Amino acid sequence: EPEVTQTPSHQVTQMGQEVILRCVPISNHLYFYWYRQILGQKVEFLVSFYNNEISEKSEIFDDQFSVERPDGSNFTLKIRSTKLEDSAMYFCASSERLAGSEQYFGPGTRLTVT
Amino acid sequence: SQQGEEDPQALSIQEGENATMNCSYKTSINNLQWYRQNSGRGLVHLILIRSNEREKHSGRLRVTLDTSKKSSSLLITASRAADTASYFCATLLRGTSYGKLTFGQGTILTVHP
Repeated sequence: EPEVTQTPSHQVTQMGQEVILRCVPISNHLYFYWYRQILGQKVEFLVSFYNNEISEKSEIFDDQFSVERPDGSNFTLKIRSTKLEDSAMYFCASSERLAGSEQYFGPGTRLTVT
Repeated sequence: SQQGEEDPQALSIQEGENATMNCSYKTSINNLQWYRQNSGRGLVHLILIRSNEREKHSGRLRVTLDTSKKSSSLLITASRAADTASYFCATLLRGTSYGKLTFGQGTILTVHP
C-alpha cells in the first residue's frame, strides 16, 4: 500500500541553524501538508501546498518557514533559523483531492533544537 | 472550548471489551477524520465521515456523526492489546478550501491483555 515517507526520522540541530525536512508524498496525490506536534500537545496545521504554491498557512508558519517541491516526488519544509520552541514532531501529509479526501500522514521527523 | 475535543481523555479497558471515544466540535464541518497514533509514532488514518453521512464502518471500527449535536463517536469492538494508542479526531471545516485539518487533544486508550 502506498505511503508517505519522511526523512530523517530524527534531526538534532543547534539553535540558529537551518534545517530541511524531507517528505515523499503518495505518488498520485496532488495536495501536500505539513503539521507539527509539540510533545504532549495537539497536532497543529502549518501549511498546505498545491500546484507549486502555498494554499493556506497558519500563524505558526512565519517567515522562518518555507516549503518547496523541488522535483516530482519530494516535498520539503525548511526552517531557516531554528529556535528552541521549534522542537517538535513534524508530519507531512498528502491527499488525492482537497475537501472530502483522506489525508495520509508520514511517520514524522522528530526535530530537537538545542 | 476548541474545535475537536475528545472525551474521555484516557480510557482503560480489558481485551475483548468495546471502547467508545467521543469528539465534539464547534463549527460546521465538511468532514471528520479519525486517526490513531502509537506512542511517539506517526498518525494512521482510520476513517473519514462526511457531513452528510451518519455512520460508517471499517472492520472493528464504527464511526457515527451527529451534526445537530456537533459530535462524533468512534467505537472499537472486541478490543485487542494492539489497539492501545492515542486516538484523535480531526475536522475539516465547511468552507475551508485548502484542506486544513483541526485536531483534538486525543483519547489515550489502554487495552489490558
